Amino acid sequence: DTGVSQNPRHKITKRGQNVTFRCDPISEHNRLYWYRQTLGQGPEFLTYFQNEAQLEKSRLLSDRFSAERPKGSFSTLEIQRTEQGDSAMYLCASARGSQDEQYFGPGTRLTVT
Amino acid sequence: EDKVVQSPLSLVVHEGDTVTLNCSYEVTNFRSLLWYKQEKKAPTFLFMLTSSGIEKKSGRLSSILDKKELFSILNITATQTGDSAVYLCARAPTGNTPLVFGKGTRLSVIA
Repeated sequence: DTGVSQNPRHKITKRGQNVTFRCDPISEHNRLYWYRQTLGQGPEFLTYFQNEAQLEKSRLLSDRFSAERPKGSFSTLEIQRTEQGDSAMYLCASARGSQDEQYFGPGTRLTVT
Repeated sequence: EDKVVQSPLSLVVHEGDTVTLNCSYEVTNFRSLLWYKQEKKAPTFLFMLTSSGIEKKSGRLSSILDKKELFSILNITATQTGDSAVYLCARAPTGNTPLVFGKGTRLSVIA
């Protein structure tokens, strides 16, 4: 399978705990995006990498959120001191060159209890 | 505000019906409009539209863009139960920038 992969697929955590998600993009895709999706809504942009550089962050991304893409391949998204409002599906997408079409991974569903 | 508005928000049809899903956007200078299908998990790419009036087709699905009136439609003919999904429309503002999604249209096709 050469698509975008995300791990874990599901995460249940208690409020106040830290969680980390991983995204492996399609190989040779230099652009990587993180989105968050809640019920009844479309995906909302969180942050974007071109190679290893984080080029844009949404105002949705509070100080508790951090993302990295250290070698320009996989990326991690960490949420510190989780809150119930962080419960959502976290989607990763990748894209190649200057192409607009982004390809999504299966997502990580986070439930904060 | 660079909103993307989809209508209807939900739709129930019978197998064999033809449906038209609508997507309108508010910004004139954009690069492309994309349609995705989302079942239980990841959105899967359907179409990308960049030019007005040129229809894109894939099997029973087709889509067209009107850049003057700022909208796009997605048509599905002879619907099947496997077409049941949320259909998302997204605008690509400029190259490489994040997609701006609408809330989606939930389509349910019943036998």
